[in-house]
Amino acid sequence: GQQVMQIPQYQHVQEGEDFTTYCNSSTTLSNIQWYKQRPGGHPVFLIQLVKSGEVKKQKRLTFQFGEAKKNSSLHITATQTTDVGTYFCAGFDDYKLSFGAGTTVTVRA
Amino acid sequence: GAVVSQHPSWVICKSGTSVKIECRSLDFQATTMFWYRQFPKQSLMLMATSNEGSKATYEQGVEKDKFLINHASLTLSTLTVTSAHPEDSSFYICSAPQDSREETQYFGPGTRLLVL
Repeated sequence: GQQVMQIPQYQHVQEGEDFTTYCNSSTTLSNIQWYKQRPGGHPVFLIQLVKSGEVKKQKRLTFQFGEAKKNSSLHITATQTTDVGTYFCAGFDDYKLSFGAGTTVTVRA
Repeated sequence: GAVVSQHPSWVICKSGTSVKIECRSLDFQATTMFWYRQFPKQSLMLMATSNEGSKATYEQGVEKDKFLINHASLTLSTLTVTSAHPEDSSFYICSAPQDSREETQYFGPGTRLLVL
């Protein structure tokens, strides 16, 4: 079945710095989605990427979908304390989502 | 935006008892809902797909007789953990599709289950 791998598992970032989390699927995806889960909370939908090579931006967040539709990345610039949480990528295939392991982000002021 | 609610948010029970968790779509209808389980510091694992008016579809390795799912209406799905044991302690989260294509999801706030 489909497997979605995500790295790094943990990212400790100095406030103001940039970082990137990467997601890879064992199969070609019809789309990839990103969710954010704050500590103690539930996943919240951030974005969906559908087209090969697609790039979308949400303020300081930049999402990319690979040309082969098997990988994706999330790049956050000028990290703020509000960015704390776990970021999950999720591949959509066969009418269901398969989540990556998540990247847990902590920020030091 | 659309909201998905879950009840209860917290439950502590004795080993051997059954626990029912409700998932409701508050301002939209959902013919399909999904149930996930999340252990501490781990990812979300899909347990089953709940289908309104028909049987749920369970993922490999999930015991359908232990995790009973009922999707009786277009706004309510329930998950019953039968004869709960300490290893069933987890964070249970439901989700419902955001649109008719059923690709992106609204997640409920989750239910934390602790079995003593």
